[in-house]
Amino acid sequence: GENVEQHPSTLSVQEGDSAVIKCTYSDSASNYFPWYKQELGKGPQLIIDIRSNVGEKKDQRIAVTLNKTAKHFSLHITETQPEDSAVYFCAASGGNTPLVFGKGTRLSVIA
Amino acid sequence: NAGVTQTPKFQVLKTGQSMTLQCAQDMNHEYMSWYRQDPGMGLRLIHYSVGAGITDQGEVPNGYNVSRSTTEDFPLRLLSAAPSQTSVYFCASSLGDTQYFGPGTRLTVL
Repeated sequence: GENVEQHPSTLSVQEGDSAVIKCTYSDSASNYFPWYKQELGKGPQLIIDIRSNVGEKKDQRIAVTLNKTAKHFSLHITETQPEDSAVYFCAASGGNTPLVFGKGTRLSVIA
Repeated sequence: NAGVTQTPKFQVLKTGQSMTLQCAQDMNHEYMSWYRQDPGMGLRLIHYSVGAGITDQGEVPNGYNVSRSTTEDFPLRLLSAAPSQTSVYFCASSLGDTQYFGPGTRLTVL
C-alpha cells in the first residue's frame, strides 16, 4: 500500500521568511496530493491540493510542487506570519483508495 | 451547514468499558471515515464508508466497529476499551477528493 514520508517533523522560521515542507510517496498510482493545516484543538483543514497532471499550484502565499518522476511533493509558504504556526500534513491517494497521511510537521513562526 | 459534528468532545473510560463516538454530517457526502491521531504518528485510518450500508477497514481497525445505516451518520464503537486506544479521534466526510474533518473527540482510557 501507499506510504507517505514527511520532513521535517518540526520547523521554526522567522516571521517573513519562507517555509518548505517535503513529502515523498511510494505508490506510483497515487494521483491526488492534498495539504492540511491543523491548528491547536481543531480538526485538519484543507489548504491546497494538487493532482498528478499538474506540476505546480499557487494560492496567494502558499504553493505546492509535484515531481511525479521522483515521487515527491512540497509545500511552500512565503512571507510567513504568526498565524501560519500550526501542524501541517501532506497526504496521497490514487483513484478510489483512501488518503494516506504523513506524520505531520509542526511549524513555528517566530515574531 | 454545521459541517461535520462529533460528540462527545472529551471522554474518559475505564479499561473494558464500551462506548460509541458519534459523527454526523449535513453535506450529503457519500464518503465518511474515522481517523485516530497520536503524537508523532500522524492521522491513521480506522474505518471508512463509501455510502450507506457499505463499510471497510483502514490501517488500524482492530478494537473498533462501525456501521453506516444513513448517509448522515457514521458512529464508531469501542466494544472493550484498552489504554492503547487513548487518542484523539477525527471523523471526516468527503465530496470528491476533498475531506472535511470534524473537531475531534479526545478519548482517555484508564
